[in-house]
Amino acid sequence: ELKVEQNPLFLSMQEGKNYTIYCNYSTTSDRLYWYRQDPGKSLESLFVLLSNGAVKQEGRLMASLDTKARLSTLHITAAVHDLSATYFCAVVTGGGNKLTFGTGTQLKVEL
Amino acid sequence: EAGVAQSPRYKIIEKRQSVAFWCNPISGHATLYWYQQILGQGPKLLIQFQNNGVVDDSQLPKDRFSAERLKGVDSTLKIQPAKLEDSAVYLCASSLGWVDEKLFFGSGTQLSVL
Repeated sequence: ELKVEQNPLFLSMQEGKNYTIYCNYSTTSDRLYWYRQDPGKSLESLFVLLSNGAVKQEGRLMASLDTKARLSTLHITAAVHDLSATYFCAVVTGGGNKLTFGTGTQLKVEL
Repeated sequence: EAGVAQSPRYKIIEKRQSVAFWCNPISGHATLYWYQQILGQGPKLLIQFQNNGVVDDSQLPKDRFSAERLKGVDSTLKIQPAKLEDSAVYLCASSLGWVDEKLFFGSGTQLSVL
């Protein structure tokens, strides 16, 4: 059974600081997604990572994938309050589009 | 472009009652998904449709949950009878195809079972 674990589960940080969220998964994967979810809202796709060594960047967020280590990271640079949300990684295995989500990381950026 | 539409937005019922949720995917999207998100957890896939056929329902509690996608467009998810542990947000998503396609999620239906 595929397991997807994220850490930390909760992260409180100050504006301007850098931090990294980690996503580990237990079996080989075809693709890995990062999603953002604001309270009471739906999931917004941030990145899709398709191959070993893939790196994607958008604004203050950068995601990377190491398929050999079965690890993805989401790095936050110079955090701002607007980044406060819950971030999920989701892994696709076995073909198709079945996503298995991680536990989520609740990020709070203090003003 | 219109997104994935879901209704109702909120629903409160008592245990053992029945409830139904509706989803209208993005126009032209062949694949439709229902996910259950319990508070504090990541979403879990309940069922996946390709047009009006079921691709994966391995995690759907079939003794109480049912879903249909007549005519391959909108879909209904039903719970009968509801249990306390069914309290969750039910998210609908759609994609163009069922391989290598980005999923678009609706806003969800928040269900509280008392």
